[in-house]
Amino acid sequence: NAGVMQNPRHLVRRRGQEARLRCSPMKGHSHVYWYRQLPEEGLKFMVYLQKENIIDESGMPKERFSAEFPKEGPSILRIQQVVRGDSAAYFCASSQTSGGASDTQYFGPGTRLTVL
Amino acid sequence: SQKIEQNSEALNIQEGKTATLTCNYTNYSPAYLQWYRQDPGRGPVFLLLIRENEKEKRKERLKVTFDTTLKQSLFHITASQPADSATYLCALGVRDDKIIFGKGTRLHILP
Repeated sequence: NAGVMQNPRHLVRRRGQEARLRCSPMKGHSHVYWYRQLPEEGLKFMVYLQKENIIDESGMPKERFSAEFPKEGPSILRIQQVVRGDSAAYFCASSQTSGGASDTQYFGPGTRLTVL
Repeated sequence: SQKIEQNSEALNIQEGKTATLTCNYTNYSPAYLQWYRQDPGRGPVFLLLIRENEKEKRKERLKVTFDTTLKQSLFHITASQPADSATYLCALGVRDDKIIFGKGTRLHILP
């Protein structure tokens, strides 16, 4: 059973370009979470999605960032018009149910975004 | 304001000794608390979960305590090995199922 997969592992973009990060959850998992990690900082929650629904996007910047988890295919985190401050590691996690004390979030290897 | 604080500096422990990592929090009422391990360039890996009504949890060489009065969790690795060297993250489970992470503590086990 493959774990959570993220691609690309490394992404370099110039300022103003778009970054598209993909996450395939573990088989049988229908809950996906995105986190951002800056150097020497903790993981910051961005958004929680179920299939075709955004459940909680309270951690996501209001502009330029969007996320989706379509009925078929991976979850996508999209960052439009990237700026240098968007450089970070972006991690995706999945769980079988809604997480919390009854379930565990399994993390992918992350995508390291560098904005030049 | 709400805060989660872990040992801010790296922890160096001699191989074979017990490593103890601290997680303190303020202005949260977590339903549970989790500990994760993160190696450089990798995603966090879940280790242990302890609920608010549990005082202690063990798994092999790992032990976690949770004191909701002190608002503190301690994470112990007994008989530590160089392979235990990593960053360890504390994460609070708040009631709406959101997990809030601390910044982590870097642990070095010296051979």
